[in-house]
Amino acid sequence: AQSVAQPEDQVNVAEGNPLTVKCTYSVSGNPYLFWYVQYPNRGLQFLLKYITGDNLVKGSYGFEAEFNKSQTSFHLKKPSALVSDSALYFCAVRGPYGNNRLAFGKGNQVVVIP
Amino acid sequence: EPEVTQTPSHQVTQMGQEVILRCVPISNHLYFYWYRQILGQKVEFLVSFYNNEISEKSEIFDDQFSVERPDGSNFTLKIRSTKLEDSAMYFCASRTSGTGNWQNSPLHFGNGTRLTVT
Repeated sequence: AQSVAQPEDQVNVAEGNPLTVKCTYSVSGNPYLFWYVQYPNRGLQFLLKYITGDNLVKGSYGFEAEFNKSQTSFHLKKPSALVSDSALYFCAVRGPYGNNRLAFGKGNQVVVIP
Repeated sequence: EPEVTQTPSHQVTQMGQEVILRCVPISNHLYFYWYRQILGQKVEFLVSFYNNEISEKSEIFDDQFSVERPDGSNFTLKIRSTKLEDSAMYFCASRTSGTGNWQNSPLHFGNGTRLTVT
């Protein structure tokens, strides 16, 4: 079964500094990878996805993520963090073989310090 | 932009009582899901629903749980006899079938219903 690991509970970064949120995955076959963001009292919002093609994918709000097959990683990045980026970030993976289920990591709380 | 809407936002119930959580998916979406998030833990898959039947369910989704699409717009999750450990945030999600590879289409989530079982 597919799974995702997000090793850090919380990521603290100063405003204007680069932000990285780590994610590694496990799945049979080629992965379909997603990042979602959750603001307080809100549902999960889609940020970006990797299906195939370029390893660097760009998404909403200036975020991007890099797919690394050899390291089974899909780290989320933003060159310059904003205070408004403070939220809970979830990595998710789905397998390719007709498996409907999207498996989420436990989430990383990002705190951007002014 | 169309949204997935969930009601109520917060439900408090006593152990052993039945609860129904309601969701209105995005109107042209064809796949529907329920996920839950126990406080401080990961988001867990419960069930997926397509073409008026369950397409997949997790080990969490036992006989106490059921889903229904009673009309063309609502998608409900029923818990027949709630337990303390059912306390969680329950998220409904939907997605379109997309064209070509259906794996591409992302899930759209509602804001969730916080269920508290006392």
